[in-house]
Amino acid sequence: EPEVTQTPSHQVTQMGQEVILRCVPISNHLYFYWYRQILGQKVEFLVSFYNNEISEKSEIFDDQFSVERPDGSNFTLKIRSTKLEDSAMYFCASNRLAGVTDTQYFGPGTRLTVL
Amino acid sequence: DQQVKQNSPSLSVQEGRISILNCDYTNSMFDYFLWYKKYPAEGPTFLISISSIKDKNEDGRFTVFLNKSAKHLSLHIVPSQPGDSAVYFCAAAVNYGGATNKLIFGTGTLLAVQP
Repeated sequence: EPEVTQTPSHQVTQMGQEVILRCVPISNHLYFYWYRQILGQKVEFLVSFYNNEISEKSEIFDDQFSVERPDGSNFTLKIRSTKLEDSAMYFCASNRLAGVTDTQYFGPGTRLTVL
Repeated sequence: DQQVKQNSPSLSVQEGRISILNCDYTNSMFDYFLWYKKYPAEGPTFLISISSIKDKNEDGRFTVFLNKSAKHLSLHIVPSQPGDSAVYFCAAAVNYGGATNKLIFGTGTLLAVQP
């Protein structure tokens, strides 16, 4: 069964460094998302992406964050200058069809630790 | 801003009995609701959903009930099995007809099914 994959599974970085989290969505999916979960808290929406542009972003998704689909398979989240509070589990998700009723499939997540 | 609330952080039930997980929401614009299940070191996995035009949706052992007037939904698992032990997230969305749809998650309930 096709699945969303994410690399790396765990990323440790120093505060102020740039990180790029990578995702490979399911191959025929067109709609992409990043969510994050700070330890012990709820899963929070960061950004959605369709047709090579951001569809919607949350207040969390400030100028330090960017997303890109550099080729036909990868979907990346870049944090330009990491802060301690960026430490979280980051989940990529994708779905095939427009509309809320089409299931979003989540990857296993990347645990980001900012020291 | 807790638009989706799961007030029980954990629940323990005996194998074979019914598990009832509850979720409340505050945003009356929500018109689509989902339950996701999450095992450790994995991403959330879609379980079942319900549109606001229905009050019940059933899929095998899983049934979701929606009470719009109370802004409350619940997930019933009958019979519960040890493999159901996981964190269950309630999520909600507004079906505004856009291409992408962000999911608003609750904080999750850890279900432990005792053999």
